[in-house]
Order: sequence, then structure tokens, then C-alpha cells
Amino acid sequence: KNEVEQSPQNLTAQEGEFITINCSYSVGISALHWLQQHPGGGIVSLFMLSSGKKKHGRLIATINIQEKHSSLHITASHPRDSAVYICAVGGTKTGNQFYFGTGTSLTVIP
Amino acid sequence: DAGVTQSPTHLIKTRGQQVTLRCSPISGHKSVSWYQQVLGQGPQFIFQYYEKEERGRGNFPDRFSARQFPNYSSELNVNALLLGDSALYLCASSLFDDGELFFGEGSRLTVL
Repeated sequence: KNEVEQSPQNLTAQEGEFITINCSYSVGISALHWLQQHPGGGIVSLFMLSSGKKKHGRLIATINIQEKHSSLHITASHPRDSAVYICAVGGTKTGNQFYFGTGTSLTVIP
Repeated sequence: DAGVTQSPTHLIKTRGQQVTLRCSPISGHKSVSWYQQVLGQGPQFIFQYYEKEERGRGNFPDRFSARQFPNYSSELNVNALLLGDSALYLCASSLFDDGELFFGEGSRLTVL
């Protein structure tokens, strides 16, 4: 059983659409991270959450600690948002282990 | 300010050889963690170091080892390389133990 489950695995959207990626986890966590990975490998941290909601530009991340669930929303999607989005959890509350989802591959079509 | 830097960026080794990968964290960051990402899969956690002490270890064999130096840079060593060790090895640094992660570009290892 994977400690972190993401859905959907693949997502194709038209430019301008509202996008939601979901992440469920089964362990106690210090924080949840949303990461973005473009082809070629580089990973960028989008959000680190331990409660509530955060917003950066067109990106919004929410977390429900009781339900062990997080969502990443992209408003007014753009082709440059095309990437793999990865949910990861870990930290001192997981015994300093770190668990990753398998990623959601997003393609935004102009 | 420089981000997380990793070296080498690409390398090719043969089975049975040993490899050392290097990571320099962002200035002031005291935590370094290492991850393995096999092509087409999500990253897997290998090690985390904070203030030069190992804080966490993932489910990897003893062929994998790491250390953190007084300047907070880190090395990941892999002995007796197997074909399955071919992967992108990512290093991330953070300011403190449960901090936001900043990733390097990775070291792509190919084992022939």
C-alpha cells in the first residue's frame, strides 16, 4: 500500500480550464509538499502546507489534516503549466521518512 | 544567491563500480536530503541529514551511504553498482528540519 495516493495520474485540459489534483495520505505528517517537475528533471517546490490553504498567483493548495487529504488547484490554466505535479509528505512526525506520490502528468492544450 | 548545486550532472559507470555524488545546499541551509528517481516514477527518499547527523533513512540497501560535512555540503556514495541504480539522484536542502525543500537539478547516473 502506498503511503501517498494521487489522482488523476494523467490530465489533459484546455487552456483556461480550472484544474484540480488530489492527494491522499495515510501517515501522520509534519508537512505536505506540492512539487512541480518539468521534462528534464528539475523539481520546484510550489507549496508546503501543514494546515489550511495557501495561494500563489493562479495556484491554490488546501489541506484537511483530519481527512488526510490535500488538493492543488490551478485557475485559468496555461500551456506553461504543463508538467508533472507531485505530492509528498514527511518530516519529523513521520520518523524523518519522506513519501512521494507517483505524480500527475498535466498537459494544457492551447 | 546560488541555489542547490549538484555534481556531476551526468555520469556513466559500469556494474560493480562505486560512485560519489555531491551536493552543496543553499547558503544557511542546514538540512540536506537525497532522493532517487527512476525514469517514469516518482522520487524515493534515501537519506536526510540535519546539522551533520543522519535524521532519516529510506528503504535502500547498505550499498547506499551518505554524509554531511561541517559546511553542510553532502555526499552520497553508492557501492557495487547495479543496473537498477540507474536513475536521477536529487538533492534538496532546507533551512531547518521540517522546512520547505529546495531541489538541485540532479545527477543522472547510468549504469552499464
